[in-house]
Order: sequence, then structure tokens, then C-alpha cells
Amino acid sequence: GAGVSQSPRYKVAKRGQDVALRCDPISGHVSLFWYQQALGQGPEFLTYFQNEAQLDKSGLPSDRFFAERPEGSVSTLKIQRTQQEDSAVYLCASSLSWVLGLTEAFFGQGTRLTVV
Amino acid sequence: GENVEQHPSTLSVQEGDSAVIKCTYSDSASNYFPWYKQELGKRPQLIIDIRSNVGEKKDQRIAVTLNKTAKHFSLHITETQPEDSAVYFCAASSGNTPLVFGKGTRLSVIA
Repeated sequence: GAGVSQSPRYKVAKRGQDVALRCDPISGHVSLFWYQQALGQGPEFLTYFQNEAQLDKSGLPSDRFFAERPEGSVSTLKIQRTQQEDSAVYLCASSLSWVLGLTEAFFGQGTRLTVV
Repeated sequence: GENVEQHPSTLSVQEGDSAVIKCTYSDSASNYFPWYKQELGKRPQLIIDIRSNVGEKKDQRIAVTLNKTAKHFSLHITETQPEDSAVYFCAASSGNTPLVFGKGTRLSVIA
């Protein structure tokens, strides 16, 4: 596709519900990142993939958060037993190179998750 | 790990004036410093970046300066226009680590 695509754009979940957020990176991009952006804040790092390998998951806030990229392209961020503090915009970004700075990181439009 | 501080959090300027946003970082290994612009409800978009082997970079009305000794970098927008109104984020990375973002600056350009 022309850019990074995320779905759904908006998700309302009842507290305790599980959700799955999808990211389609730009074709051929090696690196894929997930960020959480709370209202009025900067993106906060969650996790990072190089192809199918999850190289860093230090930003995941709890064991309720899980991400995968099984074939090195599409990635899914899953949140189990959602809580109100999970409400945020979840941004996905991809980059052609595994070395940041060699190539630009492109962001998707994000999924706005609201937990009620 | 890396920590990026960004100031100011809000900035209002008259159309045609210049705007300056400043960031500091903590990790001396960081060598890549991009700036992203995010309009309301839209994705962050890269507007300019700088690598540690240069001190300044310009692209039309936008410039970024880097002081590695002091660990700070700044975004300069000249001749501001209403369409420059947005939230601007600075970020830093060592190349092997994910981007760490500042908290953002909301720029308002008043016509």
C-alpha cells in the first residue's frame, strides 16, 4: 500500500474486554514499532520488531499487552482485559532499514481505543 | 535509557514571525534526531531530521540545529504561516534503539 495502515481507526471496548489492533506496514519495511499516545502527550514506545523478531518489548505496560508479527509483515497488538487507563491512540510505524536514521520511520494514522 | 525533554509545551506566534522549539536529550550515544509534525487527528509526519555528524540542516523555512556537547537540538521555523499550526515532537535514537519522543509543543500561528 501507499502508507502504513492501521485498523480499526476507532475502537470502543468495555472494561475487561480483549482487543486486537492491526498494523499493515509499508511493503518491504523491516522495522515495525508500536507506540501509545495518551491525549496531549508524545508517543511512548511499546515494542519493536525487526522482521518477525520482537527485539524490544520493554515499553509494554503490563503482561496484558502482547504483540506479534509472525510473518514479518502485518503486526497485531493485543490487549487483554482492557482497563480505562489503556484508553489512548495506538500508533504503528515502519522503517525500511533496521538502523534508525538510515531511513525514515513512517507512522500510521493510529487506532483510538476508548475503554468504558 | 534515553530521556527527551521538550520546551515550550505551547507556543503562540504572529503570522510571519519565527518559532523556536528546543529539546534536550540524555543519552550521549544518540545520533539521530527527527522532528515530527502532527495535525489534529492525523498521523505524525517527519518534517526534518539531523544526524550527529552535522550541526545544522535547513529545508526552506525549517531548520534544525544540534549541539552534541550540550546534548540539545532545536527546531526553527521562519516566516510562520497558519498552516504551520500543529503539535511538533522531537525525538532521539542511537540507531539501534527505538525513537524516544518529547512531550510535544503545540504551535499556534495567529493570522
